Amino acid sequence: QVQLVESGGGLVKPGGSLRLSCTASGFTFSDYYMSWIRQAPGKGLEWVSYISSSGSIIYYADSVKGRFTISRDNAKNSLYLQMNSLRAEDTAVYYCARGSLCPGSWGQGTLVTVSS
Amino acid sequence: EIVLTQSPGTLSLSPGERATLSCRASQSVSSSYLAWYQQKPGQAPRLLIHGASSRATGIPDRFSGSGSGTDFTLTISRLEPEDFAMYYCQQYDSSPRTFGQGTKLEIK
Repeated sequence: QVQLVESGGGLVKPGGSLRLSCTASGFTFSDYYMSWIRQAPGKGLEWVSYISSSGSIIYYADSVKGRFTISRDNAKNSLYLQMNSLRAEDTAVYYCARGSLCPGSWGQGTLVTVSS
Repeated sequence: EIVLTQSPGTLSLSPGERATLSCRASQSVSSSYLAWYQQKPGQAPRLLIHGASSRATGIPDRFSGSGSGTDFTLTISRLEPEDFAMYYCQQYDSSPRTFGQGTKLEIK
């Protein structure tokens, strides 16, 4: 069955950096677009970024453009999100999801807390 | 950017009753690229409906979606105890993909 497992979250100071990872199994990872979607505590959902199967097409939300970088390693069945210049408003659970349209498979999420 | 507005914000009903949740888009969502998700506390969202009216794999037939253009509806025909949760609509007609703010379905 499809499994997505995120890691790399934690507590970081404003202005700091963090790299999230998502390891996929149960499907042919290289066939699928992948996404990062976040949810601030007690709030709704925000699509952060997606990347095409080959990595040639990338989208970023305006709120993270220039600060976050999405990437993938199809040989390792892994998706990444490099987050730089973190702000308090980036505090959220970050979900890895399969697809860029209406994901039917999500990871359990990893919490990123930006606080001094 | 397509803004999705869900109503009501909170819906209080009893098990066995029918639930009707609304999602209105700020501009037309072409080809009915509209999805619905259920989310329970501490869990990831679960896809219920895609293409406005197609149930995702494994979703019970008490869940149904309808609508087109700017007005969409999620109906739960007979509420089961496990259906009380948050529900979000989402459009994938254009980028940025956007979600509604959610409807909380609570037990009356």
